[in-house]
Amino acid sequence: DGGITQSPKYLFRKEGQNVTLSCEQNLNHDAMYWYRQDPGQGLRLIYYSQIVNDFQKGDIAEGYSVSREKKESFPLTVTSAQKNPTAFYLCASSMTADHSNQPQHFGDGTRLSIL
Amino acid sequence: AQSVTQLGSHVSVSEGALVLLRCNYSSSVPPYLFWYVQYPNQGLQLLLKYTTGATLVKGINGFEAEFKKSETSFHLTKPSAHMSDAAEYFCAVSDPRSGGSNYKLTFGKGTLLTMNP
Repeated sequence: DGGITQSPKYLFRKEGQNVTLSCEQNLNHDAMYWYRQDPGQGLRLIYYSQIVNDFQKGDIAEGYSVSREKKESFPLTVTSAQKNPTAFYLCASSMTADHSNQPQHFGDGTRLSIL
Repeated sequence: AQSVTQLGSHVSVSEGALVLLRCNYSSSVPPYLFWYVQYPNQGLQLLLKYTTGATLVKGINGFEAEFKKSETSFHLTKPSAHMSDAAEYFCAVSDPRSGGSNYKLTFGKGTLLTMNP
């Protein structure tokens, strides 16, 4: 079955450490997204990518970095500059970012905590 | 700029009762509208969407929503709640004028639906 796979499901970060969250999709979608979810806050967009080798900052990009070297993969790195990284991170994809009527499909998330 | 307001962060109903989850939006043009459901420790699953055409939209699991332009609303309903409906529900909007690098989906803060024992 096609879908989005996020790994790991749980991740712990030490102070001053960078960690990378994996997101892989086999839906042949062009566009991919990273969101951060905090209790009572809804979802906030971190980064998005419309096409391979291209990505744009979302609303809360500070302290995060991404790459899009392959269509299927959009890893998110939480850097040591992100002072409050504890959250649930969701990766999503859509067929294209050119048309805003396209629904986004979500992975099952990675929960990041500070040790 | 768009915004989404979900009235009531927590709604509790009895099994068999009507479910009504409220969503109001603010936008200079009628947006595209989406409802998603999230079960604990999982991602979001699309329930239904409105883009154009009929304003009453039917989705999965017996849910439906009606786009009311005059009220800037897109409330989610289900005639008879089931225990399995307990989850968090998110309303989201996008600007039909956007696309390319301007694409953005704006989410409400969510409504947690719980079932009365």
